[in-house]
Amino acid sequence: SAVISQKPSRDICQRGTSLTIQCQVDSQVTMMFWYRQQPGQSLTLIATANQGSEATYESGFVIDKFPISRPNLTFSTLTVSNMSPEDSSIYLCSVVEQVQGTEAFFGQGTRLTVV
Amino acid sequence: ILNVEQSPQSLHVQEGDSTNFTCSFPSSNFYALHWYRWETAKSPEALFVMTLNGDEKKKGRISATLNTKEGYSYLYIKGSQPEDSATYLCAPARQLTFGSGTQLTVLP
Repeated sequence: SAVISQKPSRDICQRGTSLTIQCQVDSQVTMMFWYRQQPGQSLTLIATANQGSEATYESGFVIDKFPISRPNLTFSTLTVSNMSPEDSSIYLCSVVEQVQGTEAFFGQGTRLTVV
Repeated sequence: ILNVEQSPQSLHVQEGDSTNFTCSFPSSNFYALHWYRWETAKSPEALFVMTLNGDEKKKGRISATLNTKEGYSYLYIKGSQPEDSATYLCAPARQLTFGSGTQLTVLP
């Protein structure tokens, strides 16, 4: 199973600033996924990070707000731009392996509080 | 994308109590269902993969059942312990959509 290192684990940020979250995987993976869990909400897919091409964003998420980098097959970053208190969430990166379907493996999560 | 619902959203039980919660999903085109446990400040970790109608899986005090015809899975915890406190997520396989989770708190 993949091991994912995600940082920072938590941060408190001022509104209007940006935060970049990093994920490092111990093996090469084609796709990495970024999720957000707002308080009391589902774990929601933000985008799929593809190596060598632009990320694919889900409905309601845009590149200007959540720019993603994927410079190689083991690393990705998600930036939360121009933050507002509504961006306070847990952000998770994930990869999948084919184990009786799609089993996800996750980073430790980044707990973001915007004040 | 399959609509996945979990209930209750949160649950507080006393140490030693047994408890259970539900994951509901559309029964059409079912392939498999994953259960994950997500402890605070840790990565979500896989608990079970449920594939067949009537499946029952067990890991220690935790077990899960599956009804694919009616589209639900139950997760049971027998004799809850404080270390069981976590958010329990379910997700159908072949997609990346999770339920909102059940946040379990076991009080000593």
